[in-house]
Amino acid sequence: GAVVSQHPSWVICKSGTSVKIECRSLDFQATTMFWYRQFPKQSLMLMATSNEGSKATYEQGVEKDKFLINHASLTLSTLTVTSAHPEDSSFYICSARGTLYEQYFGPGTRLTVT
Amino acid sequence: AQKVTQAQTEISVVEKEDVTLDCVYETRDTTYYLFWYKQPPSGELVFLIRRNSFDEQNEISGRYSWNFQKSTSSFNFTITASQVVDSAVYFCALTLGAQKLVFGQGTRLTINP
Repeated sequence: GAVVSQHPSWVICKSGTSVKIECRSLDFQATTMFWYRQFPKQSLMLMATSNEGSKATYEQGVEKDKFLINHASLTLSTLTVTSAHPEDSSFYICSARGTLYEQYFGPGTRLTVT
Repeated sequence: AQKVTQAQTEISVVEKEDVTLDCVYETRDTTYYLFWYKQPPSGELVFLIRRNSFDEQNEISGRYSWNFQKSTSSFNFTITASQVVDSAVYFCALTLGAQKLVFGQGTRLTINP
């Protein structure tokens, strides 16, 4: 149980385009999902907390207009990187919160912006 | 403020050796949870264990064991008889408020055959 999927697993896009990443909880309902960014050989950096049916809460320094998060159902949250630039290239990871604060992570999406 | 410190950036051992990964945390909360996650080369974080602040019992799961000591604010993780498949980055994490987790910097563990 507690499986989280993420799609796509990797994506290459041109500078200026937008990219949407989907995060799904496959076998449980997730009222809260999280989006992280991870640079090579570094820890996870929380970008935002996504609660089903409400606006996402962004961490300080994260541009909400650039990283659009939608959590329209109990099993799906999406992250859209708008007008992507090479500095947005990173490994993006989503997670879904379990019943006792644990988080179950998706496999991640590697974004490369050329 | 909540903080997790994993002082060991990288550890390299030979297969079958025992290895302990250290985790020290800071929190003002009286109720909190601690976690360990494994991130293999594939990138997907795998949940290993959750421990709440009121339960200081050590836990063993196969070759894995965890030692939680509130007196020293530590939650260390030991792998006995390590195997090559244990090679990964391991993260210790602490609850931050009601929802979030704060992660340590991670320890990259390499098990050499």
